[in-house]
Amino acid sequence: AQSVTQLGSHVSVSEGALVLLRCNYSSSVPPYLFWYVQYPNQGLQLLLKYTTGATLVKGINGFEAEFKKSETSFHLTKPSAHMSDAAEYFCAVTLRDTGRRALTFGSGTRLQVQP
Amino acid sequence: GAGVSQSPSNKVTEKGKDVELRCDPISGHTALYWYRQSLGQGLEFLIYFQGNSAPDKSGLPSDRFSAERTGGSVSTLTIQRTQQEDSAVYLCASSLPGGSGNTIYFGEGSWLTVV
Repeated sequence: AQSVTQLGSHVSVSEGALVLLRCNYSSSVPPYLFWYVQYPNQGLQLLLKYTTGATLVKGINGFEAEFKKSETSFHLTKPSAHMSDAAEYFCAVTLRDTGRRALTFGSGTRLQVQP
Repeated sequence: GAGVSQSPSNKVTEKGKDVELRCDPISGHTALYWYRQSLGQGLEFLIYFQGNSAPDKSGLPSDRFSAERTGGSVSTLTIQRTQQEDSAVYLCASSLPGGSGNTIYFGEGSWLTVV
């Protein structure tokens, strides 16, 4: 079984400040890891994913995340927040090479960006 | 179409009535998923279809919920005898065949309100 924990249901940063959204996972086998963003009244959009290879993954809109196996973490960062980054962010996990492909999501972190 | 299409986008129904929600996946995507997003419950997996294989129904919350996928494309999620706790956004998603690292693309959801 797998699970995802996102620390902090709400995060507020100033425009131009570092964004750090935390995600820890629990998985019995090596996972695939994803970050999705949801803007108000819209569906989920993939920001980035880790499957294999380099553990530092770059995504859209200047976001990146680093897979740290020793810490079972996949934190999302962006060096400088924009007002347009205000949204809800979901970390998700699925197990590689298994028949169960559905994503297991964390509870989400709502990011507010203050002017 | 270019993305996952869901209808209706909004549905208000009376308690006890049946509802049907429709999903049209991205062309060529053989994997199709239904999720439910509600306050306090986050994103819950409901059901997963992959080609002609038996669907993974492990997330359906009760026998009032069912889904079918005709011709390997369009899917319908049916909720019988709706209850107020069924009020939520129902998200459909699809992905290409292959490993569980494939990106899952989401529709904008069907907002269901049971009054």
